[in-house]
Amino acid sequence: GAGVSQSPSNKVTEKGKDVELRCDPISGHTALYWYRQSLGQGLEFLIYFQGNSAPDKSGLPSDRFSAERTGGSVSTLTIQRTQQEDSAVYLCASSNRQGVNTEAFFGQGTRLTVV
Amino acid sequence: AQSVTQLDSHVSVSEGTPVLLRCNYSSSYSPSLFWYVQHPNKGLQLLLKYTSAATLVKGINGFEAEFKKSETSFHLTKPSAHMSDAAEYFCVVSTYGGATNKLIFGTGTLLAVQP
Repeated sequence: GAGVSQSPSNKVTEKGKDVELRCDPISGHTALYWYRQSLGQGLEFLIYFQGNSAPDKSGLPSDRFSAERTGGSVSTLTIQRTQQEDSAVYLCASSNRQGVNTEAFFGQGTRLTVV
Repeated sequence: AQSVTQLDSHVSVSEGTPVLLRCNYSSSYSPSLFWYVQHPNKGLQLLLKYTSAATLVKGINGFEAEFKKSETSFHLTKPSAHMSDAAEYFCVVSTYGGATNKLIFGTGTLLAVQP
C-alpha cells in the first residue's frame, strides 16, 4: 500500500490478557517508530528501529512491553498482562532514512481499550 | 536536551480570519522542526518542516512557519482559516544521535474554526 498500515484499528481486551499490534511500514523505509497517544500524556515515544541496528527501546514504559521487527519490514508491538493504564492509541511511523532532517509518515493507529 | 513548548492548548478563530499557533523550542544545536496535523480519528500528517535551508517554510493547505533563532520560535500561520482546518496541531523537534532518531512532540494545540 501507499502508506503505513496498522492492524487492528480497534482492540478491546480484558485486563491481564496479552495483545499484539501490527505495523506494516511504507515499502523501502528502513526506520520504524512506535508512539503511544493517550489523553493527558500527548505523544510518547516507545521504540525506534533502524535497519539491522539494535533498536532504541528507551521509551518502553515497562518490561510488559516489547517489539520486534522481522526482516526489516513488519513490526509487532506486544503488551503482556495488559492494564487499564495501557489504554491508548498506538501509532506506528516509518521513514526512508535516518538523520535529524527526517520526517516520519504515520499510520492511522490502533485504539487499545483495556476493560 | 531537545524540547518544544506549544503555548496554547486551544485556539479558536472565525472562518476567514488568520491563524497563529505558537511553538517555542529548546535545542543545544541547530534544530530540525516540524508541524504535524491530526484531524479527528485520522493519522498524523506532515504539514511542513524546517531544516535550515530557509527560515520561512511553506507547507500544505496554505500553512507556513517562520524559524526565528533569536526568539527560539517556530510559529505556524495561515492567512485565512477554513472550516476544514479544525484539527489538532503538533510542533515537533527531531533529535538524532548514535543509533537513534526521535521525534519529540509538543502537547498539541486544538484549533477550532467557527463559521
